[in-house]
Parts: sequence; structure tokens; C-alpha cells
Amino acid sequence: GAVVSQHPSWVICKSGTSVKIECRSLDFQATTMFWYRQFPKQSLMLMATSNEGSKATYEQGVEKDKFLINHASLTLSTLTVTSAHPEDSSFYICSAHDWGSGETQYFGPGTRLLVL
Amino acid sequence: KQEVTQIPAALSVPEGENLVLNCSFTDSAIYNLQWFRQDPGKGLTSLLLIQSSQREQTSGRLNASLDKSSGRSTLYIAASQPGDSATYLCAVIARGGADGLTFGKGTHLIIQP
Repeated sequence: GAVVSQHPSWVICKSGTSVKIECRSLDFQATTMFWYRQFPKQSLMLMATSNEGSKATYEQGVEKDKFLINHASLTLSTLTVTSAHPEDSSFYICSAHDWGSGETQYFGPGTRLLVL
Repeated sequence: KQEVTQIPAALSVPEGENLVLNCSFTDSAIYNLQWFRQDPGKGLTSLLLIQSSQREQTSGRLNASLDKSSGRSTLYIAASQPGDSATYLCAVIARGGADGLTFGKGTHLIIQP
């Protein structure tokens, strides 16, 4: 099946710094990628939908100026958490939609962010 | 707004038992439903995907059913094994791949050796 990678898998940073997370589709082109986050013992929540070459669509309650999304190519989307604070500590997972294989979305392994 | 509920939140059973995990969703206008497995601190593993026109899907010891009109799905695990211990997530998608998934909170399953 299709593979989606995320980098880094773990990141610890100081409060106030910015963190960039990459999501790559390794063997297929993804015109649409999705970003989710998961707080402890909570469900995954969709943050934003990222379309290649256009602005991301954010879910209600997600600050677009804080969570910058760039989908510059058909295989790469990045999520930048700007001026991170401890409450941003979470598990961030991306998924990529492979139009070539129907409606399946493929998920990355996730990035665990800890803001001190 | 679509809401997905999973019952039970946690389940602990002895090895070898057959078990059923439940998922319900409030808006029956779904495109498909997917069951995932999540191991602690890990990403998601897709287990089964059921299109809205389908009633069930099977993979090995797993069988998932879908009753779209009543907004319910069940995941049946036969002959459970300790390696099945994980959190099982149910997710629905409203339209095609253009939409993100709406997830339930999951069922935390422990299979006792």
C-alpha cells in the first residue's frame, strides 16, 4: 500500500519557538493532505485540509496564523506550529489522499510534540 | 455536525474470546466508514474500510458491519489474542476523499494472556 512519512517523529522545544512538521507521500501524488491532532485520551481531530497549490482550509477553532500549512508539491505538506506553547503539546498526524486508489486516505506515523 | 461515539471506552477480556466493538454516528449521510488500530504512541493502522453501499467487510479474524440507516457499525474480533491489544478507532467521512475523517474516541482493548 501507499506510504506516508512524517518528520520528525518526536520534537521537544521551548515555549515561544516554532516547529515545522513534514508530511510526505512516498510513492503516490497527493493533491489533498489532512492534518489532525490528538490530545491524550481524546479522539483525533481534524485541524485543516491542505490542497496542493492553494490555501489550506482550517476547521473551526483552529488558528490559521498559529498553524501554518504549506502544500507546495504533490508529495509534501508542512505544518508549522508558530510560537508554540505548552498547550500545543499533542500528537500530530497527517494523512494523504491517493486519488488513484479510490477514496482511501493513508496516514503518517505521527509526530509527538512536547513544548516545555 | 457529525459525531462519532464508540462503546465501550475500554474493554479487558481473556485471550481467545470473541468480542464486539461498537461505533455509532449521528449523520447517516456518510461516504464510507473505516476502522483503525492505534498502538500506544504510534500512528494509525487501517483495518477495514466499508463503503456506504456495503454491509460488511472481512479481513482475517476481523469483520466489520455497517448499518448506515441506523448510524451504526460493529467490529467483530474472533479468537482474540494478546497482540490485538490496542486502541481501536472508528472514523467516518462525509463525502469522498476531499473531506477529512471524523473520529470516535476509541475503544481501549486489553487481551489478557
